[in-house]
Amino acid sequence: KNEVEQSPQNLTAQEGEFITINCSYSVGISALHWLQQHPGGGIVSLFMLSSGKKKHGRLIATINIQEKHSSLHITASHPRDSAVYICAVPTGNQFYFGTGTSLTVIP
Amino acid sequence: EAQVTQNPRYLITVTGKKLTVTCSQNMNHEYMSWYRQDPGLGLRQIYYSMNVEVTDKGDVPEGYKVSRKEKRNFPLILESPSPNQTSLYFCASSSIGQSEKLFFGSGTQLSVL
Repeated sequence: KNEVEQSPQNLTAQEGEFITINCSYSVGISALHWLQQHPGGGIVSLFMLSSGKKKHGRLIATINIQEKHSSLHITASHPRDSAVYICAVPTGNQFYFGTGTSLTVIP
Repeated sequence: EAQVTQNPRYLITVTGKKLTVTCSQNMNHEYMSWYRQDPGLGLRQIYYSMNVEVTDKGDVPEGYKVSRKEKRNFPLILESPSPNQTSLYFCASSSIGQSEKLFFGSGTQLSVL
């Protein structure tokens, strides 16, 4: 049973488009992580947020703790944004992950 | 440079031959953890450690062992690997608490024949 659901599973966009990736979870949490995994496998942490909104460059993450939902937005998407985006939810001392959204941005 | 160092990057072995994947971090992090990533299943937690000599099972611990004798190191041990343990493995660390940023190793692609 997966505690974390992501949508969409796959996403193809034209360069410059605004992109939204969604994450819903069923457990009570105090924070949520967004991760990025490029082809070749390395994983980097993009955001850790517990409320409201965070912005880093063209990336914006929002979370609604009461509704158990988070979104990752990419403004003015670029081919270098092509990657798998994963949300991670810590519960106690364990982490549960969505299965990821594979994003391809076409020039 | 702050980093999590994971070795080896690729490993091919045969069923039953004991192996160890090493993980080391230079950030004095208390929390370290191991994950496996499989197509369609995403990342799943194998074991985690809150500090030296403190380890606990994650979601999929069967067939794996870990140890935390030093704060910086958290090796993953497969005493008798089986083909269903073929997977991409990641080590990660963070400061104590689930609300701290995770730092990942570069991954180990393991194939068990």
